[in-house]
Amino acid sequence: DADVTQTPRNRITKTGKRIMLECSQTKGHDRMYWYRQDPGLGLQLIYYSFDVKDINKGEISDGYSVSRQAQAKFSLSLESAIPNQTALYFCATSGNGRQGEQFFGPGTRLTVL
Amino acid sequence: GEDVEQSLFLSVREGDSSVINCTYTDSSSTYLYWYKQEPGAGLQLLTYIFSNMDMKQDQRLTVLLNKKDKHLSLRIADTQTGDSAIYFCAESMTGGSYIPTFGRGTSLIVHP
Repeated sequence: DADVTQTPRNRITKTGKRIMLECSQTKGHDRMYWYRQDPGLGLQLIYYSFDVKDINKGEISDGYSVSRQAQAKFSLSLESAIPNQTALYFCATSGNGRQGEQFFGPGTRLTVL
Repeated sequence: GEDVEQSLFLSVREGDSSVINCTYTDSSSTYLYWYKQEPGAGLQLLTYIFSNMDMKQDQRLTVLLNKKDKHLSLRIADTQTGDSAIYFCAESMTGGSYIPTFGRGTSLIVHP
């Protein structure tokens, strides 16, 4: 079974709709992250959380919000989706060590029409 | 500020060696990473090197670090079609949160 899972895997929605992307992990990690990937732009950090009571903005948090419901769960919301939020979204986790290796989920492909 | 640069595409013939290059700007980098992303999947760590090392080898993979030039490379020996993927270089900084900063990724295309 996958250690980091994301639901849904694909979603098509319309401008103005509220969307929630969910992430669960069984690695027992405290740190969780949400990234956005656009072709040719690499990964951009949206939000990250170092434990259940900790939420931090990343490079591109505008238009997004997150909730850390438990150590194992971290969800990303788009309150009012717009077409330029069409992208591939990844959740990742890491341990607390200096090495910083991240473990990624399979991604959610979101299309906003 | 932090910046990680890598070329967007590399095409090689099966059986040849591939060399993917990366430059970074932050001199206080602690760890430098290579991640691989296969089609339809998330990123997976291939290998990493600590900034006090010059080289690391792991089977077909060789990582070279030139700290003076802030240059990192990944060499894949005997490249196979299964190596076709996007390869991301990333760095994390001393005294920081150890969140990696990623480059834009290099698409490696391996043709027969």
